[in-house]
Amino acid sequence: KQEVTQIPAALSVPEGENLVLNCSFTDSAIYNLQWFRQDPGKGLTSLLLIQSSQREQTSGRLNASLDKSSGRSTLYIAASQPGDSATYLCAVRYNQGGKLIFGQGTELSVKP
Amino acid sequence: DGGITQSPKYLFRKEGQNVTLSCEQNLNHDAMYWYRQDPGQGLRLIYYSQIVNDFQKGDIAEGYSVSREKKESFPLTVTSAQKNPTAFYLCASSISSDSYNEQFFGPGTRLTVL
Repeated sequence: KQEVTQIPAALSVPEGENLVLNCSFTDSAIYNLQWFRQDPGKGLTSLLLIQSSQREQTSGRLNASLDKSSGRSTLYIAASQPGDSATYLCAVRYNQGGKLIFGQGTELSVKP
Repeated sequence: DGGITQSPKYLFRKEGQNVTLSCEQNLNHDAMYWYRQDPGQGLRLIYYSQIVNDFQKGDIAEGYSVSREKKESFPLTVTSAQKNPTAFYLCASSISSDSYNEQFFGPGTRLTVL
């Protein structure tokens, strides 16, 4: 069964800290992996998309890595800010149809 | 402004009623998707459409129906057959259903059964 897991479910850090969010998937035959941010009661904002042939992607203070062989991706957030507080979701795409399989998310709180 | 709009933001349904959630995009995307989000369960795919006049069931299609008569519109009907419809519904789109394309999401509709 194709499953995506995110640990921890919640994380609280002081402002300025560098942090890593984890995503693991059971089937390594992925097409791509996408990281999203979700604010309470809102839709999803796409942060980074990593294709299966890539090892990492960067956007500003965010860096996402992909290790297919171990079934893992990490989202690194540098110099965290209170505005980074949100739920972060990773989603994996396995086939041409476009279906994404989502993890349950990590709720991040950055304290001033 | 290019993007995905969903309406209404909040929707209340009585037992036995059918309700329709709207999803419109002006991104000229071919593929559109409907997901359901429940607390602690992540997002699950209800239906998706790769092109106008075509759609396929996702993992939890029972009790839902869709249509795709126009490229920019993909409405979702929650029928009375859906026994537990209270959830947050998210619509998404991508340039095509090709595996390399990023999916973009709308702001969501929160449906509550009274």
